[in-house]
Amino acid sequence: AQRVTQPEKLLSVFKGAPVELKCNYSYSGSPELFWYVQYSRQRLQLLLRHISRESIKGFTADLNKGETSFHLKKPFAQEEDSAMYYCALSGSRETSGSRLTFGEGTQLTVNP
Amino acid sequence: DAGVTQSPTHLIKTRGQHVTLRCSPISGHKSVSWYQQVLGQGPQFIFQYYEKEERGRGNFPDRFSARQFPNYSSELNVNALLLGDSALYLCASSDGWGSGVYEQYFGPGTRLTVT
Repeated sequence: AQRVTQPEKLLSVFKGAPVELKCNYSYSGSPELFWYVQYSRQRLQLLLRHISRESIKGFTADLNKGETSFHLKKPFAQEEDSAMYYCALSGSRETSGSRLTFGEGTQLTVNP
Repeated sequence: DAGVTQSPTHLIKTRGQHVTLRCSPISGHKSVSWYQQVLGQGPQFIFQYYEKEERGRGNFPDRFSARQFPNYSSELNVNALLLGDSALYLCASSDGWGSGVYEQYFGPGTRLTVT
């Protein structure tokens, strides 16, 4: 079974402060991890994935297999970062195709 | 391209009724997935279709069914609606299947309310 846990439903920071959104997962094989974001009144969209190891909008995420975590970080939060963030996992083709298992989401609010 | 489109945007049904939701993928995409998002929760996988064949099914009762057409559009059908089926139903398309390499693009969703 695969599971994604986001322990914080709500996270509030001030503009310019560092932000970390936590994500832990449970999967017996080698997962592929993603962060999706949903801005107000917009559709769900991919923010970044661990296999590409890129930084998008200043966000980075490192897959830590030992701790089974994939935390999303940004050194200096901006007001436009306010959104709902979902961590998601995709298992192997044999066991789960490319279905995504999502966490419950973290609502990030960046205050001025 | 308008991206993934879904219809209708909203609908209200009564318990016991049947509903059909529709999804048109991005042009050139051959895979469509359906997710249910209950208020306050993350999306939950229902079905995935690729090249008109079912490639995955989530933990949903048999009241839920889907199909994909030759033009790669898809329908999600739900029979004998229950109050608990009230949710946002999301459709996602990708140009491949079987790996996270294939980015999934989400539609705006259909908001279903069962009374």
